[in-house]
Amino acid sequence: KQEVTQIPAALSVPEGENLVLNCSFTDSAIYNLQWFRQDPGKGLTSLLLIQSSQREQTSGRLNASLDKSSGRSTLYIAASQPGDSATYLCAVDSDSNYQLIWGAGTKLIIKP
Amino acid sequence: EAQVTQNPRYLITVTGKKLTVTCSQNMNHEYMSWYRQDPGLGLRQIYYSMNVEVTDKGDVPEGYKVSRKEKRNFPLILESPSPNQTSLYFCASSSKAGSYNSPLHFGNGTRLTVT
Repeated sequence: KQEVTQIPAALSVPEGENLVLNCSFTDSAIYNLQWFRQDPGKGLTSLLLIQSSQREQTSGRLNASLDKSSGRSTLYIAASQPGDSATYLCAVDSDSNYQLIWGAGTKLIIKP
Repeated sequence: EAQVTQNPRYLITVTGKKLTVTCSQNMNHEYMSWYRQDPGLGLRQIYYSMNVEVTDKGDVPEGYKVSRKEKRNFPLILESPSPNQTSLYFCASSSKAGSYNSPLHFGNGTRLTVT
């Protein structure tokens, strides 16, 4: 059974730093992996989707990588800003029923 | 503007009083889904729908019903709410059944309290 883990559960860094969030999964047979952002009391916003055949995706200051063989994905945030403060979740689509398996998220705080 | 709209945003009700949370999307998406989010348990899928008149159970369907009579709407029905259904609920939609190259779009959530 697929399991998704995100470490660390929380992270606090000064503004301007580059940082990496981690997502690991136990079964490498996946269709895609998605990274989402959730602001307090709000819904989730899709940031990046990496298909199983891809190694990485980029959007602005965000870069997500995927290594299926090791069961890992990273979300790289360059030049962090206070507005990046949110909870970041990764989710894996690993079966034909399109049911995502979710990580518990990493709560990120960027200090001004 | 492309969006998923849930209503209401907040709802306080009493045990046993039937309620419906509405969800509508304007993106002509085939796939729609309901999740609940609880502290320490993360996001769990309740029901999903691949298209009109096609629905299926997710991980935690007990105590919930859904219907998909129209492509744009996917209401969540609690026939007899109980306190353990107090949670934050999200509706989401996607084209191509949420897989491959199509991300999920989420509504802003409905915070339900059952007393």
